[in-house]
Amino acid sequence: NAGVTQTPKFQVLKTGQSMTLQCAQDMNHNSMYWYRQDPGMGLRLIYYSASEGTTDKGEVPNGYNVSRLNKREFSLRLESAAPSQTSVYFCASSEAPDTGWLNEKLFFGSGTQLSVL
Amino acid sequence: SQQGEEDPQALSIQEGENATMNCSYKTSINNLQWYRQNSGRGLVHLILIRSNEREKHSGRLRVTLDTSKKSSSLLITASRAADTASYFCATDAREWASYDKVIFGPGTSLSVIP
Repeated sequence: NAGVTQTPKFQVLKTGQSMTLQCAQDMNHNSMYWYRQDPGMGLRLIYYSASEGTTDKGEVPNGYNVSRLNKREFSLRLESAAPSQTSVYFCASSEAPDTGWLNEKLFFGSGTQLSVL
Repeated sequence: SQQGEEDPQALSIQEGENATMNCSYKTSINNLQWYRQNSGRGLVHLILIRSNEREKHSGRLRVTLDTSKKSSSLLITASRAADTASYFCATDAREWASYDKVIFGPGTSLSVIP
């Protein structure tokens, strides 16, 4: 009963390097999300995927790309990492839209702590 | 821009006391949710209250919603050391036709001292 699994848990990059954060859910959820969490800022939505085959920008998409590989997996890619992307990244999933957006509850992974030097 | 903001930013209480956290938001909502985050972990959904509801209970949790004041409160009764965590309110913001985006506040850090 894994829920939402993120890899890696920790990563240190140098400015300009690229990497992909992986996320998989085993709850047969339709929607998946990537958030970043910074001190005093709460969680900010980077990208989301309402269903398999679709992706949309969130509040802070610049510098990121995503791929909804299948219903289970949603990856986040940093093409050229910058120090401003130092953050904790969370993947989440939800049943919506099947259950309706108004009752959407998010299930979160345990996060990836990323440092860009 | 932040739709919701929690108050206080940090709260320290003794085990057995009640803890109250407040959330204020700016625009009309369809629902409001509370989440808990233990240190180094992801957020866990606690409770969802709809805009036509005034109060909701779940175990030792009591959530109230006052849409006229655009505010909500989370009460944790008889707190335990295990309740030490950050608590976030989240509201929907209808910015896109097909998706009610969930917006999180900056959170309240609760410390329960044994």
